[in-house]
Amino acid sequence: NAGVTQTPKFRVLKTGQSMTLLCAQDMNHEYMYWYRQDPGMGLRLIHYSVGEGTTAKGEVPDGYNVSRLKKQNFLLGLESAAPSQTSVYFCASSYAGGEGTEAFFGQGTRLTVV
Amino acid sequence: KNEVEQSPQNLTAQEGEFITINCSYSVGISALHWLQQHPGGGIVSLFMLSSGKKKHGRLIATINIQEKHSSLHITASHPRDSAVYICAVRPSGSRLTFGEGTQLTVNP
Repeated sequence: NAGVTQTPKFRVLKTGQSMTLLCAQDMNHEYMYWYRQDPGMGLRLIHYSVGEGTTAKGEVPDGYNVSRLKKQNFLLGLESAAPSQTSVYFCASSYAGGEGTEAFFGQGTRLTVV
Repeated sequence: KNEVEQSPQNLTAQEGEFITINCSYSVGISALHWLQQHPGGGIVSLFMLSSGKKKHGRLIATINIQEKHSSLHITASHPRDSAVYICAVRPSGSRLTFGEGTQLTVNP
């Protein structure tokens, strides 16, 4: 099983450019999440989705947009990249959002904005 | 103050040593997650526990819900155990809250 797949794995952007990160899961999970990981900080939630067609803001949503048009895919968009968005981005999915639900993570996308 | 605190932040051990990583949290939960992140790699779930103890190979995780504390132990540590170990809790709804992680280096 592929599990959770993120593309691309690496990307360098110039300030002001736009891009979309794709997350795909083949486990029929309802919940999907986008996190960013920065040095000295825990993973922080950007946006999440509790089902196809739904999205919600997390802790650090500014500068990002998301879409969940299909259950298996969760897209993270940066409309105008800024150096502060240099980070490692992780997608995750889970069957449900309850406290006892295991989350499955992708391999991460290392984004550098210059 | 972070809702999830891990200690130590960095840990260096010699191969074969017994290792303990601690996690304390300040909110009420019913389950806690331990995750592993290898250098340049993704994040994998090691344990999800709500009481007592769980064991998988050389890894043991314990939790005390009343004291809001969990520990991850590694017995007979090996260089391949070198990774960042992350504690996470889900206080309410669907939002996991993560600790900053503990960087473990096991030297041969």
